[in-house]
Amino acid sequence: AQSVAQPEDQVNVAEGNPLTVKCTYSVSGNPYLFWYVQYPNRGLQFLLKYITGDNLVKGSYGFEAEFNKSQTSFHLKKPSALVSDSALYFCAVRAPNSNYQLIWGAGTKLIIKP
Amino acid sequence: SQTIHQWPATLVQPVGSPLSLECTVEGTSNPNLYWYRQAAGRGLQLLFYSVGIGQISSEVPQNLSASRPQDRQFILSSKKLLLSDSGFYLCAWRSVYRGSTGELFFGEGSRLTVL
Repeated sequence: AQSVAQPEDQVNVAEGNPLTVKCTYSVSGNPYLFWYVQYPNRGLQFLLKYITGDNLVKGSYGFEAEFNKSQTSFHLKKPSALVSDSALYFCAVRAPNSNYQLIWGAGTKLIIKP
Repeated sequence: SQTIHQWPATLVQPVGSPLSLECTVEGTSNPNLYWYRQAAGRGLQLLFYSVGIGQISSEVPQNLSASRPQDRQFILSSKKLLLSDSGFYLCAWRSVYRGSTGELFFGEGSRLTVL
């Protein structure tokens, strides 16, 4: 079955340190991969996507993500965390020939401490 | 540019009352439209999606229904709310134009509390 896993329910990082939010997937074929951020009581905001090409993709607010086909991972990263990065982060994947339905991870709560 | 509007933002309803949440998209044509529910501030559950006027696909059997009376309007309804219908409801759209890569764009959500 196709799935997306965000193995960490919560990630705590000190302000100024690098951050990583993990995502692994299990789909057949070449997936499209996405990251979204959700602030409290708000809708999801699109951060970045991997479709093809360079494995390192850059997105909004200084975030980037690295696609690793052999490890079936798409981890979200940022070199220096800000307190304002504290939010809920979702990874999603679209499998080929999936009628454009996204498969969502359960979300990871990122807490940046001053 | 495209925008999505969702209302009301907050709703408190008694058990057994009806529900209507509305979502409209501007700046695009023939979008795919989606209703998600998010319980307890975490995972997303796809409730309905629509590829065109009057075309609704239901992903989960439940107390809710959806309708798409116009190209860019998507409505989530219930005739009689249950306590378990409480949650955060999110509307989203996707472009169907050639070259679209499938990402969704979300509204700001509607917080429903059923008492």
